[in-house]
Amino acid sequence: RKEVEQDPGPFNVPEGATVAFNCTYSNSASQSFFWYRQDCRKEPKLLMSVYSSGNEDGRFTAQLNRASQYISLLIRDSKLSDSATYLCVVNGGGSNYKLTFGKGTLLTVNP
Amino acid sequence: GAVVSQHPSRVICKSGTSVKIECRSLDFQATTMFWYRQFPKQSLMLMATSNEGSKATYEQGVEKDKFLINHASLTLSTLTVTSAHPEDSSFYICSASTPGTFYNEQFFGPGTRLTVL
Repeated sequence: RKEVEQDPGPFNVPEGATVAFNCTYSNSASQSFFWYRQDCRKEPKLLMSVYSSGNEDGRFTAQLNRASQYISLLIRDSKLSDSATYLCVVNGGGSNYKLTFGKGTLLTVNP
Repeated sequence: GAVVSQHPSRVICKSGTSVKIECRSLDFQATTMFWYRQFPKQSLMLMATSNEGSKATYEQGVEKDKFLINHASLTLSTLTVTSAHPEDSSFYICSASTPGTFYNEQFFGPGTRLTVL
Protein backbone atom coordinates (compact mmCIF):
# COMPACT_ATOMS: atom_id res chain seq x y z
CA ARG A 1 0.00 0.00 0.00
CA LYS A 2 1.32 3.42 -0.92
CA GLU A 3 2.06 5.75 1.98
CA VAL A 4 -0.37 8.36 0.72
CA GLU A 5 -2.80 7.48 -2.01
CA GLN A 6 -5.15 9.86 -3.79
CA ASP A 7 -7.83 9.72 -6.45
CA PRO A 8 -5.90 9.52 -9.71
CA GLY A 9 -8.08 12.06 -11.50
CA PRO A 10 -8.05 14.22 -13.50
CA PHE A 11 -11.29 15.94 -12.58
CA ASN A 12 -12.97 18.25 -15.07
CA VAL A 13 -15.93 20.15 -13.65
CA PRO A 14 -17.97 23.20 -14.65
CA GLU A 15 -17.86 26.40 -12.66
CA GLY A 16 -20.11 26.21 -9.64
CA ALA A 17 -19.82 22.47 -9.24
CA THR A 18 -18.99 20.70 -6.02
CA VAL A 19 -16.02 18.38 -6.17
CA ALA A 20 -14.61 15.97 -3.61
CA PHE A 21 -11.12 14.53 -3.32
CA ASN A 22 -10.27 11.43 -1.33
CA CYS A 23 -7.03 10.32 0.22
CA THR A 24 -5.87 7.37 2.31
CA TYR A 25 -2.66 7.01 4.28
CA SER A 26 -0.86 3.94 5.56
CA ASN A 27 1.00 5.18 8.66
CA SER A 28 -1.38 4.93 11.58
CA ALA A 29 1.06 6.95 13.72
CA SER A 30 0.67 10.04 11.52
CA GLN A 31 -0.30 13.10 13.49
CA SER A 32 -0.76 15.95 11.07
CA PHE A 33 -2.62 16.15 7.82
CA PHE A 34 -2.78 18.81 5.17
CA TRP A 35 -4.13 19.68 1.79
CA TYR A 36 -1.80 21.64 -0.47
CA ARG A 37 -2.46 22.98 -3.92
CA GLN A 38 0.15 23.12 -6.60
CA ASP A 39 -0.18 25.19 -9.74
CA CYS A 40 1.61 24.09 -12.88
CA ARG A 41 5.39 24.38 -12.54
CA LYS A 42 5.09 26.10 -9.16
CA GLU A 43 5.79 25.11 -5.57
CA PRO A 44 3.03 23.62 -3.41
CA LYS A 45 1.12 26.04 -1.21
CA LEU A 46 -0.71 25.12 1.95
CA LEU A 47 -4.46 25.16 1.41
CA MET A 48 -5.54 23.97 4.83
CA SER A 49 -4.62 21.75 7.71
CA VAL A 50 -7.02 18.93 8.52
CA TYR A 51 -8.26 18.48 12.07
CA SER A 52 -9.91 15.46 13.64
CA SER A 53 -13.18 17.29 14.07
CA GLY A 54 -13.22 18.40 10.48
CA ASN A 55 -12.77 21.99 9.46
CA GLU A 56 -14.07 24.47 6.99
CA ASP A 57 -12.51 27.47 5.32
CA GLY A 58 -14.92 29.28 3.09
CA ARG A 59 -15.78 26.99 0.19
CA PHE A 60 -13.35 24.31 1.36
CA THR A 61 -14.16 21.58 3.87
CA ALA A 62 -11.68 18.98 5.07
CA GLN A 63 -12.52 15.81 6.93
CA LEU A 64 -10.34 13.27 8.71
CA ASN A 65 -11.28 9.73 9.71
CA ARG A 66 -8.42 8.30 11.77
CA ALA A 67 -10.02 4.88 12.12
CA SER A 68 -10.20 4.48 8.35
CA GLN A 69 -7.01 6.50 7.75
CA TYR A 70 -8.95 8.58 5.29
CA ILE A 71 -8.88 12.28 4.47
CA SER A 72 -11.17 14.23 2.20
CA LEU A 73 -11.43 17.68 0.71
CA LEU A 74 -14.68 19.17 -0.55
CA ILE A 75 -14.75 22.25 -2.74
CA ARG A 76 -18.12 23.93 -3.16
CA ASP A 77 -19.09 26.44 -5.84
CA SER A 78 -15.85 25.84 -7.69
CA LYS A 79 -14.16 28.75 -9.43
CA LEU A 80 -11.90 28.86 -12.46
CA SER A 81 -9.08 29.82 -10.10
CA ASP A 82 -9.48 26.53 -8.24
CA SER A 83 -7.89 24.74 -11.20
CA ALA A 84 -4.72 23.18 -9.81
CA THR A 85 -3.32 19.91 -8.53
CA TYR A 86 -4.44 19.10 -4.99
CA LEU A 87 -1.95 17.27 -2.83
CA CYS A 88 -2.80 15.22 0.21
CA VAL A 89 0.06 15.48 2.69
CA VAL A 90 0.71 13.54 5.87
CA ASN A 91 3.44 13.91 8.45
CA GLY A 92 5.53 11.02 9.71
CA GLY A 93 4.04 10.85 13.16
CA GLY A 94 5.52 11.54 16.59
CA SER A 95 8.60 13.74 16.41
CA ASN A 96 9.10 12.85 12.78
CA TYR A 97 8.26 16.05 10.96
CA LYS A 98 8.81 14.63 7.52
CA LEU A 99 5.96 15.20 5.14
CA THR A 100 4.82 12.54 2.71
CA PHE A 101 3.03 13.80 -0.36
CA GLY A 102 0.41 12.05 -2.39
CA LYS A 103 0.76 12.11 -6.13
CA GLY A 104 -1.91 14.75 -6.41
CA THR A 105 -5.22 15.06 -8.20
CA LEU A 106 -5.52 17.50 -11.06
CA LEU A 107 -8.64 19.62 -11.07
CA THR A 108 -9.72 21.68 -14.06
CA VAL A 109 -12.70 23.99 -13.61
CA ASN A 110 -14.25 24.92 -16.93
CA PRO A 111 -16.26 28.06 -17.75
CA GLY B 1 5.85 36.36 6.87
CA ALA B 2 7.46 32.96 6.37
CA VAL B 3 8.98 33.61 2.96
CA VAL B 4 11.45 31.18 1.47
CA SER B 5 13.47 31.99 -1.62
CA GLN B 6 15.45 29.77 -3.94
CA HIS B 7 18.16 30.67 -6.38
CA PRO B 8 18.43 30.11 -9.25
CA SER B 9 14.87 29.57 -10.40
CA ARG B 10 16.02 27.81 -13.52
CA VAL B 11 19.32 26.37 -14.65
CA ILE B 12 20.43 24.60 -17.77
CA CYS B 13 23.82 22.94 -17.68
CA LYS B 14 25.95 20.44 -19.53
CA SER B 15 26.33 16.88 -18.36
CA GLY B 16 29.17 16.50 -15.88
CA THR B 17 28.98 19.96 -14.36
CA SER B 18 27.99 20.74 -10.78
CA VAL B 19 25.07 22.95 -9.89
CA LYS B 20 24.49 24.73 -6.59
CA ILE B 21 20.99 25.68 -5.46
CA GLU B 22 20.45 28.06 -2.56
CA CYS B 23 17.48 28.06 -0.21
CA ARG B 24 16.97 31.02 2.10
CA SER B 25 14.39 31.76 4.77
CA LEU B 26 13.96 35.53 4.45
CA ASP B 27 12.04 36.54 7.53
CA PHE B 28 12.47 33.73 10.03
CA GLN B 29 15.09 31.37 11.34
CA ALA B 30 14.73 27.80 10.15
CA THR B 31 16.41 25.11 12.20
CA THR B 32 15.36 22.54 9.66
CA MET B 33 15.22 22.69 5.91
CA PHE B 34 14.02 19.96 3.61
CA TRP B 35 15.02 19.25 0.03
CA TYR B 36 12.55 17.65 -2.35
CA ARG B 37 12.63 16.57 -5.95
CA GLN B 38 9.65 16.33 -8.27
CA PHE B 39 9.68 14.63 -11.65
CA PRO B 40 6.92 15.42 -14.17
CA LYS B 41 3.50 14.12 -13.11
CA GLN B 42 4.99 12.68 -9.92
CA SER B 43 4.66 13.65 -6.29
CA LEU B 44 7.27 15.53 -4.33
CA MET B 45 9.85 13.12 -2.99
CA LEU B 46 11.87 14.05 0.06
CA MET B 47 15.58 13.80 -0.65
CA ALA B 48 17.09 14.92 2.63
CA THR B 49 16.50 16.75 5.87
CA SER B 50 18.99 19.44 6.74
CA ASN B 51 19.53 20.68 10.28
CA GLU B 52 21.59 23.79 10.93
CA GLY B 53 25.10 22.98 12.00
CA SER B 54 24.88 19.24 11.49
CA LYS B 55 25.05 16.71 8.69
CA ALA B 56 22.02 16.19 6.55
CA THR B 57 19.94 13.05 6.81
CA TYR B 58 19.34 11.48 3.43
CA GLU B 59 16.39 9.38 2.38
CA GLN B 60 16.91 5.85 1.18
CA GLY B 61 18.17 5.76 -2.37
CA VAL B 62 19.51 9.32 -2.41
CA GLU B 63 23.28 9.45 -2.89
CA LYS B 64 24.80 11.77 -0.33
CA ASP B 65 28.02 12.14 -2.32
CA LYS B 66 26.09 13.26 -5.36
CA PHE B 67 23.69 15.62 -3.61
CA LEU B 68 25.77 17.66 -1.20
CA ILE B 69 23.83 19.61 1.38
CA ASN B 70 25.19 22.35 3.57
CA HIS B 71 23.15 24.16 6.21
CA ALA B 72 25.65 26.61 7.61
CA SER B 73 23.23 29.13 9.09
CA LEU B 74 19.64 29.39 10.28
CA THR B 75 18.65 31.11 7.07
CA LEU B 76 20.59 29.32 4.36
CA SER B 77 20.86 25.79 3.07
CA THR B 78 22.51 24.78 -0.20
CA LEU B 79 22.11 21.73 -2.38
CA THR B 80 24.89 20.94 -4.83
CA VAL B 81 24.20 18.43 -7.57
CA THR B 82 27.64 17.12 -8.43
CA SER B 83 28.50 15.80 -11.88
CA ALA B 84 24.95 16.28 -13.03
CA HIS B 85 23.52 13.95 -15.68
CA PRO B 86 20.33 14.18 -17.75
CA GLU B 87 18.49 11.88 -15.33
CA ASP B 88 19.04 14.52 -12.62
CA SER B 89 16.85 16.94 -14.57
CA SER B 90 13.98 17.70 -12.24
CA PHE B 91 12.21 20.34 -10.17
CA TYR B 92 14.07 20.80 -6.90
CA ILE B 93 12.12 22.42 -4.07
CA CYS B 94 13.27 23.34 -0.59
CA SER B 95 11.16 24.01 2.43
CA ALA B 96 11.94 25.56 5.78
CA SER B 97 10.39 24.72 9.08
CA THR B 98 9.45 27.23 11.74
CA PRO B 99 10.39 25.89 15.14
CA GLY B 100 7.78 25.98 17.83
CA THR B 101 4.63 25.68 15.75
CA PHE B 102 2.52 22.69 16.64
CA TYR B 103 2.37 21.29 13.18
CA ASN B 104 5.87 22.43 12.32
CA GLU B 105 4.48 23.83 9.13
CA GLN B 106 6.89 23.81 6.23
CA PHE B 107 7.15 26.84 4.00
CA PHE B 108 8.19 26.08 0.47
CA GLY B 109 10.54 27.91 -1.81
CA PRO B 110 9.50 28.59 -5.41
CA GLY B 111 11.62 25.73 -6.72
CA THR B 112 14.54 25.38 -9.10
CA ARG B 113 14.05 23.74 -12.45
CA LEU B 114 17.22 21.92 -13.47
CA THR B 115 17.77 20.76 -17.02
CA VAL B 116 20.92 18.78 -17.73
CA LEU B 117 21.79 18.48 -21.41
